[in-house]
Amino acid sequence: EIVLTQSPATLSLSPGERATLSCRASQSVNTYLAWYQQKPGQAPRLLIYDASKRASGIPARFSGSGSGRDFTLTISSLEPEDFAVYYCQQRTHWPPLTFGGGTKVEIK
Amino acid sequence: QVQLQESGPGLVKPSQTLSLTCTVSGVSIRSGSHYWSWIRQPAGKGLEWIGRIHTRGSTSYNPSLQSRVNISLDTSKNQFSLDLYSVTAADTAVYYCARDTPFGSEPPVWAHDIWAQGTMVTVSS
Repeated sequence: EIVLTQSPATLSLSPGERATLSCRASQSVNTYLAWYQQKPGQAPRLLIYDASKRASGIPARFSGSGSGRDFTLTISSLEPEDFAVYYCQQRTHWPPLTFGGGTKVEIK
Repeated sequence: QVQLQESGPGLVKPSQTLSLTCTVSGVSIRSGSHYWSWIRQPAGKGLEWIGRIHTRGSTSYNPSLQSRVNISLDTSKNQFSLDLYSVTAADTAVYYCARDTPFGSEPPVWAHDIWAQGTMVTVSS
């Protein structure tokens, strides 16, 4: 089973700042990695698929990069609605499809 | 627009079967090449993929749950369902159904693009 390790667990930032979230896989997942955003009491929302492609309707301030084992989700300038938990998910070696443990982006 | 909605009991007794249904609206569950997934999330914890079923009926499950889970389609009702047998308190979670969509050209890249709101299921006597 592929283990995805997200860091940091919590990121404390102010609106307007840049957020950089990391996801590391226990073995290569090529670019078959997605990122999801989850707000309290809501279902996750797809942000990025294939490591770097934005899903429909996702603002350009969200970008993904990486391949192999190391991936990054960047939010270029945090908006108030971006404070949430972010999960990565791999799609290369399954079953099972696996998620990372999440990174919480909180207001500083 | 495509929407998913879970339904089912919010309380299940230990050792019994947890049964949930996901009703799909806005598209026929038989159309396209989608998979239909179940994912769960214990309170305050991360996401766990349970399994999925293809439009044509093939299934795949999380090996950690495979002996206790069954996912099925009811195309006449545009629904898919989850049965989780012999539940314990560890199965208490919010359960989500989600659509799994292929993006791009061969090979396609898959992602859960549409999710239902989630339903809380508690296992307790």
